[in-house]
Amino acid sequence: DQQVKQNSPSLSVQEGRISILNCDYTNSMFDYFLWYKKYPAEGPTFLISISSIKDKNEDGRFTVFLNKSAKHLSLHIVPSQPGDSAVYFCAASDAGNMLTFGGGTRLMVKP
Amino acid sequence: KAGVTQTPRYLIKTRGQQVTLSCSPISGHRSVSWYQQTPGQGLQFLFEYFSETQRNKGNFPGRFSGRQFSNSRSEMNVSTLELGDSALYLCASSPRSHRDTEAFFGQGTRLTVV
Repeated sequence: DQQVKQNSPSLSVQEGRISILNCDYTNSMFDYFLWYKKYPAEGPTFLISISSIKDKNEDGRFTVFLNKSAKHLSLHIVPSQPGDSAVYFCAASDAGNMLTFGGGTRLMVKP
Repeated sequence: KAGVTQTPRYLIKTRGQQVTLSCSPISGHRSVSWYQQTPGQGLQFLFEYFSETQRNKGNFPGRFSGRQFSNSRSEMNVSTLELGDSALYLCASSPRSHRDTEAFFGQGTRLTVV
């Protein structure tokens, strides 16, 4: 039973446009959400997080939106750059220190 | 500041053998978590250690075990290896909890079981 789902395995976007990556979760106990980026042969690197008390968090080109009623979060990258091409994982946690990851979305930003 | 270091980077083992993977967290970090990444199952949580005690455990069989030393370095052991254990094993460290600050991941150990 996947508690965190990323339904789009891949996404292709033109450079300069907006990339929107989506994530759905089922566990209502999740109250902290994170996005990680992963390049091949490297470990995931942290991008941005959001607590359930907020519905938006922004950091430079990256914005995460949280819709608690829909149990949905999304990551917006504006503008997208070729260097953003990677696999993006959303992750969620409850009060414990365990991260539950989605299956990942491969983003390809075309020049 | 040195990052999370995992050794070895690559490993090939035979079915039935056992293997030990090592993770050195960022200096000062006391929480170390282990994850398994496979193409079919994505990133799955194995366990977390904090101050030498297992604090959280995922849904993996008892063949998967770990420990943490007083210097926060952690080891993960897999006994009686199966083909399905072939995966990238990642460890992540944080000072106390990723809820205070993000978890930092190592580059992983790629284990191949033949």
